[in-house]
Amino acid sequence: GAGVSQTPSNKVTEKGKYVELRCDPISGHTALYWYRQSLGQGPEFLIYFQGTGAADDSGLPNDRFFAVRPEGSVSTLKIQRTERGDSAVYLCASSRGGEYQETQYFGPGTRLLVL
Amino acid sequence: AQSVTQLDSQVPVFEEAPVELRCNYSSSVSVYLFWYVQYPNQGLQLLLKYLSGSTLVKSINGFEAEFNKSQTSFHLRKPSVHISDTAEYFCAVSDLDQGAQKLVFGQGTRLTINP
Repeated sequence: GAGVSQTPSNKVTEKGKYVELRCDPISGHTALYWYRQSLGQGPEFLIYFQGTGAADDSGLPNDRFFAVRPEGSVSTLKIQRTERGDSAVYLCASSRGGEYQETQYFGPGTRLLVL
Repeated sequence: AQSVTQLDSQVPVFEEAPVELRCNYSSSVSVYLFWYVQYPNQGLQLLLKYLSGSTLVKSINGFEAEFNKSQTSFHLRKPSVHISDTAEYFCAVSDLDQGAQKLVFGQGTRLTINP
């Protein structure tokens, strides 16, 4: 079956602009996660959804970052007033449920470059 | 907060040689441990995981990792590597004490296999 998909695969924007990154999880997966991977680093947790609600948003770096999942499926990560330091690969993952032992399946990522 | 340290950023080995990729995590009472692999131009894939029970866990392609609670380690090993094992390997932990479904990743180890 289809895996996690993310669009766009690449996004180039200018400092100060607004961007939206989309994630389509595996069908039927109720849990969805966003991570950010900077060059040479491991992925860093941003936010976790269980259904439509954000169960843990402790990883969002500041109030310029926001994510939604209005129907419990597709999620959008929104970044306002982008800064050069926001440049990274943004990864989305989904799992069947929110249990610790459930495997998280990752998408290919969106590479964001802020000029 | 939980942290994960991968002691080697790069590991070059010859084909058919054994390899060990090291991973240590900060102390916690209850953790789940994971190794993810990222092949060139592909997304993160789960390689193996430790949840409970036997401290030695194995993957389908010959890798194994052993959970050592006293040393807070989860090193990954393979007795004989192939060219196809060339990839970046990430160790990750889920900290049950913090009630978190999120994964905390190490910085990654790039494994390069030379013929």
